[in-house]
Amino acid sequence: RKEVEQDPGPFNVPEGATVAFNCTYSNSASQSFFWYRQDCRKEPKLLMSVYSSGNEDGRFTAQLNRASQYISLLIRDSKLSDSATYLCVAYYGGSQGNLIFGKGTKLSVKP
Amino acid sequence: DVKVTQSSRYLVKRTGEKVFLECVQDMDHENMFWYRQDPGLGLRLIYFSYDVKMKEKGDIPEGYSVSREKKERFSLILESASTNQTSMYLCASSLNYNEQFFGPGTRLTVL
Repeated sequence: RKEVEQDPGPFNVPEGATVAFNCTYSNSASQSFFWYRQDCRKEPKLLMSVYSSGNEDGRFTAQLNRASQYISLLIRDSKLSDSATYLCVAYYGGSQGNLIFGKGTKLSVKP
Repeated sequence: DVKVTQSSRYLVKRTGEKVFLECVQDMDHENMFWYRQDPGLGLRLIYFSYDVKMKEKGDIPEGYSVSREKKERFSLILESASTNQTSMYLCASSLNYNEQFFGPGTRLTVL
């Protein structure tokens, strides 16, 4: 079974806070992982890919733990503009239809 | 920049009507996708296509059909719209699984 589960949210944090989202995947055959960002009433856009060794892009850090089958996204020094829904995505290989989106976690950064 | 466009941002139809949703991408991508997004259910794949005239069912194909006659265009058809097909419909295209590019979405209301 192919599933991606995310923290239910919403996360309401003050500006400058550090916030972390977790995401678990059900199938150990998953090959690749991604975080997408979706602003209110907009389409999803790729935020970052998640590599086995973990990767960082400015204030954003993504980690992969294959043993426990979870992915995390850490946002440091939150900005108001980080307010969005974050979608965890797993690719199970083979068909392009095997790209599975989580339901998303809503983040609201307050002044 | 990749651009994915959808024929309408908002659409209101009556139960039983035949509905066409059009999607066009300008980056020569082989893969195109149709999703619907509902609150609490996330993104669910309806159909996808990996080449002209080729299609595969996603997780929720019932009540929908698709057409891909040209590489840049992927159409979603609701043969006989029903109220439970009221949703946000998102089209996407990709070269491979590493990144999907989404259109702005069509919010369909079926009365």
